[in-house]
Amino acid sequence: EVQLVESGGGLVQPGGSLRLSCAASGFTFSSYAMNWVRQAPGKGLEWVSAISGTGISAYYADSVKGRFTISRDNSKNTLYLQMNSLRAEDTAVYYCAKKGGGMDVWGKGTTVTVSS
Amino acid sequence: DIVMTQSPDSLAVSLGERATINCKSSQSVLYSSNNKNYLAWYQQKPGQPPKLLIYWASTRESGVPDRFSGSGSGTDFTLTISSLQAEDVAVYYCQQYYNTSSYTFGQGTKLEIK
Repeated sequence: EVQLVESGGGLVQPGGSLRLSCAASGFTFSSYAMNWVRQAPGKGLEWVSAISGTGISAYYADSVKGRFTISRDNSKNTLYLQMNSLRAEDTAVYYCAKKGGGMDVWGKGTTVTVSS
Repeated sequence: DIVMTQSPDSLAVSLGERATINCKSSQSVLYSSNNKNYLAWYQQKPGQPPKLLIYWASTRESGVPDRFSGSGSGTDFTLTISSLQAEDVAVYYCQQYYNTSSYTFGQGTKLEIK
């Protein structure tokens, strides 16, 4: 079964850091680009970051550029999102998603709350 | 960045009737070399992650009921539910994946039963 499981969310103070992980199974992880998408409470979907299958190419939304870093470990079938200098507006459910034609597999999400 | 604008923001349709959601992109998402529109539609129910319904603007994802269809090209796209069922109540999003450095979603359309 194709599956993505996020972890690493939690409560963090403004200015703090957090690293999210996404464990993949059921498909050849290294063959696919991967994404992080977030959803603030009661709001719509916001694409955050993408990384190529090899990990060579990475892309970021303007709202997180310079603060977030996407990476992957293909030997561990795991995607990461390192989040630094967190702000209240980063509070959201963070989903990882596999890119096929569109984003065809999504995890259940992990919640990040930035608050003092 | 490519801006995706959906209309309407919310929609109420009677059971068994047709529901139509529109999506407009600020620039074409049609890639001329392969004649594919880099446009997807998602359904999201409360407390659940999004679910891919349609990709390449009109290709139905495996397992998606055939009452869901996508159409359009270039900058104007439509998601149609031919006969609304109770389980179709959800928020629907379009998304462009033409610009690989910045995928963007529409703001969402909330679909309810009239």
